[in-house]
Amino acid sequence: ETGVTQTPRHLVMGMTNKKSLKCEQHLGHNAMYWYKQSAKKPLELMFVYSLEERVENNSVPSRFSPECPNSSHLFLHLHTLQPEDSALYLCASSQEFLGTSGITDTQYFGPGTRLTVL
Amino acid sequence: AQSVTQLDSQVPVFEEAPVELRCNYSSSVSVYLFWYVQYPNQGLQLLLKYLSGSTLVESINGFEAEFNKSQTSFHLRKPSVHISDTAEYFCAVSGSGGYQKVTFGTGTKLQVIP
Repeated sequence: ETGVTQTPRHLVMGMTNKKSLKCEQHLGHNAMYWYKQSAKKPLELMFVYSLEERVENNSVPSRFSPECPNSSHLFLHLHTLQPEDSALYLCASSQEFLGTSGITDTQYFGPGTRLTVL
Repeated sequence: AQSVTQLDSQVPVFEEAPVELRCNYSSSVSVYLFWYVQYPNQGLQLLLKYLSGSTLVESINGFEAEFNKSQTSFHLRKPSVHISDTAEYFCAVSGSGGYQKVTFGTGTKLQVIP
């Protein structure tokens, strides 16, 4: 496989469930990102990991818990979500962490996980 | 702080007609600008970007965008669209020095009509 893959592609869960989203990048990149894409709203950056260390957490509720066990894998653990958390969750990677070299690195996106919270 | 405005949420256009997707930004610092495209059921793909140099940037599939600093715009254009261009297009901006978060617009859905 090449590029950035995400599983599952679709997920329906109740508010009391615990589930995890998985992202894997096959590009040899050092930085990975989680974004939330809701209808008619700008793409929202949730978390950034650089070399497996979290470098950005944009005031995301604690019911979302990221994990980056290595530079190729990124997880988003979900627990007691709310219906307003229903959205498309996109994972992305870039060669280096955005902006550290003074040049913005191109981010490569996965296809996303369509999450519905009932 | 920075922001991106894409005023048109949907743009229908006939095949082989020209199209312009508008993007305006605000920022207190120098910027980098991007256009991403999202085809149905896929993630975002970088279409083109402006970092420095020539204000006119082009993509391999015929799109171009021009950075206009005085008007704080980065409109995307194509002289003749194809059915395969049907997708959602996102404009994005980041500051140009050190760590700068990328801010995305709300997207414009381009619908090419046969």
